[in-house]
Amino acid sequence: NAGVTQTPKFQVLKTGQSMTLQCAQDMNHNSMYWYRQDPGMGLRLIYYSASEGTTDKGEVPNGYNVSRLNKREFSLRLESAAPSQTSVYFCASILQGDSGNTIYFGEGSWLTVV
Amino acid sequence: AQSVAQPEDQVNVAEGNPLTVKCTYSVSGNPYLFWYVQYPNRGLQFLLKYITGDNLVKGSYGFEAEFNKSQTSFHLKKPSALVSDSALYFCAVRSGYSTLTFGKGTMLLVSP
Repeated sequence: NAGVTQTPKFQVLKTGQSMTLQCAQDMNHNSMYWYRQDPGMGLRLIYYSASEGTTDKGEVPNGYNVSRLNKREFSLRLESAAPSQTSVYFCASILQGDSGNTIYFGEGSWLTVV
Repeated sequence: AQSVAQPEDQVNVAEGNPLTVKCTYSVSGNPYLFWYVQYPNRGLQFLLKYITGDNLVKGSYGFEAEFNKSQTSFHLKKPSALVSDSALYFCAVRSGYSTLTFGKGTMLLVSP
């Protein structure tokens, strides 16, 4: 049981380049999330998808787009990368329907924009 | 809006001593509270959660947390710290079906 899988693990981009972070979960969860983690800032929500076919902005959505491809997959796209997007990105998923359910995280994607 | 405060950026404790990592929260409605741990270059791992019922919640690796409604706190505790407990700890809260809000994290350093 792989849980939440993210790719790539590490990536270096030049300013202005684009890339997509991939995320897949095999737990039959309906809700998926993208967070970014920065020193001293904790985890901040970028976008989330409450269910297949829906996406919503989180706390820091500017500069990002997302696609909920199907129930398993939720991708995060940087159209024109900026140094301020250097961060660690985490995908997460949860079985929505019980407020007490646990959210599960992927192992993270380390992105550096130079 | 819901929020979480972890007032200590870092907690230092000697191995074998008890440890406490503090967390306070603000939320409308009944809170659902979580603790996660992050080891270097890894994702967040679930430790424990409070949903309802007993105010003392027991979780993984010998950790426990005490829910105090009047003080809006959910402090993480362990009776005897291990060097291997050294990691970054996050407290998080949600209410109803809101998204999960995290604190800024507390680095726990356990010295031999």
